[in-house]
Amino acid sequence: EAGVTQSPTHLIKTRGQQATLRCSPISGHTSVYWYQQALGLGLQFLLWYDEGEERNRGNFPPRFSGRQFPNYSSELNVNALELEDSALYLCASSWGGAFLFGPGTRLTVT
Amino acid sequence: GQQLNQSPQSMFIQEGEDVSMNCTSSSIFNTWLWYKQDPGEGPVLLIALYKAGELTSNGRLTAQFGITRKDSFLNISASIPSDVGIYFCAGHNYNTDKLIFGTGTRLQVFP
Repeated sequence: EAGVTQSPTHLIKTRGQQATLRCSPISGHTSVYWYQQALGLGLQFLLWYDEGEERNRGNFPPRFSGRQFPNYSSELNVNALELEDSALYLCASSWGGAFLFGPGTRLTVT
Repeated sequence: GQQLNQSPQSMFIQEGEDVSMNCTSSSIFNTWLWYKQDPGEGPVLLIALYKAGELTSNGRLTAQFGITRKDSFLNISASIPSDVGIYFCAGHNYNTDKLIFGTGTRLQVFP
């Protein structure tokens, strides 16, 4: 069974641009969670999607947004990129309280 | 953002030694999870704990869900070089469905 997949692996953008990151959960999982991990720091909760709806969001500005598609895959959009948005963005899906993470997308903003 | 208190922050040990790390929270959780993360990669789930007092093993790893539901510990016995990495605890609350992470323990193992 395939795990959580994310694309692209790396993304380089300039300040002010928009970034789109993608995630596919484990087959059969309906929830997708997004986390931000700045270099050398812990994971900060960004967004939770379930059954196509945004269920909860962390303490991030509105320029962080996303959506979940009918096949439960998800997109994270970051508008008006700032230098401090440079981080590893991780996606997870959950089954029975066990959260399984993808390999992440490394976003670099220059 | 919210993070759990995890200690120690880093550990430098010799191969073969045992390791212990713990996590505490001011809130109660329904689930405690322990992850290992290698640089630039996603966290890998090591152990999941679902019940207060539960003690679970996975090979050389043992973890416990504290009775108060506000803490958890992870032990690694007979450490080996591939144990090197950052270990994170995480607590899950069913009501908010948020998974809150600890600050991480960086483990270095010397031969």
